[in-house]
Amino acid sequence: NAGVTQTPKFQVLKTGQSMTLQCAQDMNHNSMYWYRQDPGMGLRLIYYSASEGTTDKGEVPNGYNVSRLNKREFSLRLESAAPSQTSVYFCASSSGTQLSGEQFFGPGTRLTVL
Amino acid sequence: SQKIEQNSEALNIQEGKTATLTCNYTNYSPAYLQWYRQDPGRGPVFLLLIRENEKEKRKERLKVTFDTTLKQSLFHITASQPADSATYLCALENSGGYQKVTFGIGTKLQVIP
Repeated sequence: NAGVTQTPKFQVLKTGQSMTLQCAQDMNHNSMYWYRQDPGMGLRLIYYSASEGTTDKGEVPNGYNVSRLNKREFSLRLESAAPSQTSVYFCASSSGTQLSGEQFFGPGTRLTVL
Repeated sequence: SQKIEQNSEALNIQEGKTATLTCNYTNYSPAYLQWYRQDPGRGPVFLLLIRENEKEKRKERLKVTFDTTLKQSLFHITASQPADSATYLCALENSGGYQKVTFGIGTKLQVIP
């Protein structure tokens, strides 16, 4: 099992450009998440999807959109990138059925917006 | 407002000693608390979960305590090794459900040979 995979690993954008970050999991998990991690700020939840077909805003959703394409895939889109969106982005998944909520993380995407 | 506090300064300890990391929180009533390990350039990896009705949990050289009165969790690594050097994050269940958790900023542990 590959676990949680993310593409791309690195990306440089100019202000105003758009891009989509891809995430897929092969653990048959119901819940998926997108976080951003910034120095001194920790991991902050952008959006999450409790199950296929549903998405909800997290702590910092402005400037982002998401799509839960199917049970495996959850993408994050930046429509018009801004320098404030320079960050490391992590996708995660959890079973959604157990109380524990253990999350499995992908390797991250390092995004720089110039 | 809700807050999770971890010592943002790095913790340096000698190999073989016990490392103790602290996670304090305010305005949360979590049903469980988790600890994750994060290595540079990688995503966090789940280590342990402790529920509100559990005082202590152990896994190999790791021990977690959870005091809901003090609103504090302690994370211990006994007989620490240089390979234990990493950043350790605590995460609290978020009452928003759907297995949402809120993460602390983490404490960087450096084990010196």
